[in-house]
Amino acid sequence: EPEVTQTPSHQVTQMGQEVILRCVPISNHLYFYWYRQILGQKVEFLVSFYNNEISEKSEIFDDQFSVERPDGSNFTLKIRSTKLEDSAMYFCASSVGPSSYEQYFGPGTRLTVT
Amino acid sequence: AQSVTQLGSHVSVSEGALVLLRCNYSSSVPPYLFWYVQYPNQGLQLLLKYTSAATLVKGINGFEAEFKKSETSFHLTKPSAHMSDAAEYFCAVSSSLTGANNLFFGTGTRLTVIP
Repeated sequence: EPEVTQTPSHQVTQMGQEVILRCVPISNHLYFYWYRQILGQKVEFLVSFYNNEISEKSEIFDDQFSVERPDGSNFTLKIRSTKLEDSAMYFCASSVGPSSYEQYFGPGTRLTVT
Repeated sequence: AQSVTQLGSHVSVSEGALVLLRCNYSSSVPPYLFWYVQYPNQGLQLLLKYTSAATLVKGINGFEAEFKKSETSFHLTKPSAHMSDAAEYFCAVSSSLTGANNLFFGTGTRLTVIP
């Protein structure tokens, strides 16, 4: 069964460093998402991406964040200058269509900022 | 705007007992509602979804949920708990508006099944 994959599973970085989290969505999916879950808190929407552009973003997704689909298969989330409060589990998801369609989630990347 | 509230961050049931996980939603437009399950060190897996068809929705692993507009609820049930049901369960809502795709999640309910 096709699945969303994410690398790395765990990333440790120092405050102020740039990180890139990578995702490979399911191949025939058209909508891509990033969510994050701070330890002990709810899963929060960051950004959705469709047709090579951002379709929605939350207040969390500020100028420090960017997304890219560089080669038609990968979907990346970049954090330019990490802060301690960026420590969280980051989930990538993809779906065939919008809204009512199931979003398939990857296993997540745990980002630890020290 | 959409939001969900999950009552009870922890629920414990005995094996074979009824599972009831509560979810209430708030939405200014007709909602789409989802239940996801998260096993340790894994991503979120869809259990079931409501997208304005039948109000009683059946999902995987014997779970079902009923959309009740009058109560703004979408509670998850399973008649008989199994040890393998122990996990974190998340209720989520999205908008039926075109172009509004993101999911709003509740805080989750951790289900413990006692042998």
